[in-house]
Amino acid sequence: DAKTTQPPSMDCAEGRAANLPCNHSTISGNEYVYWYRQIHSQGPQYIIHGLKNNETNEMASLIITEDRKSSTLILPHATLRDTAVYYCIARPHNDYKLSFGAGTTVTVRA
Amino acid sequence: DVKVTQSSRYLVKRTGEKVFLECVQDMDHENMFWYRQDPGLGLRLIYFSYDVKMKEKGDIPEGYSVSREKKERFSLILESASTNQTSMYLCASSLSDRIYGYTFGSGTRLTVV
Repeated sequence: DAKTTQPPSMDCAEGRAANLPCNHSTISGNEYVYWYRQIHSQGPQYIIHGLKNNETNEMASLIITEDRKSSTLILPHATLRDTAVYYCIARPHNDYKLSFGAGTTVTVRA
Repeated sequence: DVKVTQSSRYLVKRTGEKVFLECVQDMDHENMFWYRQDPGLGLRLIYFSYDVKMKEKGDIPEGYSVSREKKERFSLILESASTNQTSMYLCASSLSDRIYGYTFGSGTRLTVV
């Protein structure tokens, strides 16, 4: 799997958009970008994934740069319940395994 | 919603005991996984199964075994529990089409004393 780099932590204000960056400069053509989050004392939760097009679902938007070397997860209106560790993972589509790094600890403040 | 249910939230066992961690999913997923999560080490894959009675070793299988007799149930077995197996254990499942995301259970915090 391509190595991903995320900032260790970030704060954002409740009600504002949270933009979470991820660098994956060595990503290969068959690797998807996945985002998960883990709220304290719970299992990780799948958020979204994409290959090269931008994606949106009810939880978030994923913006992947044209060269695919980086991506941004956008939480459009952060709430206190979005406080969690967010993981960005690059994974080949034909690989069963997910490898989680350290992630970004996001704290949403009132 | 897919549910992955782990039988115990907290478990305390003695060194040398045989420990069974059970995981059940209710959405007919083909793939099931066992991870452990430790501070500073992230999530590490122990074993996974892509079909009934099929299993493959993950990154850290030593000291563990698994059983998948039915599609919905995947059990992790610690043959002789040791203190270094104190950890958070997470079960996950996914569809056979591997691009889909995983669904995780809430985890079992195991303490071996």
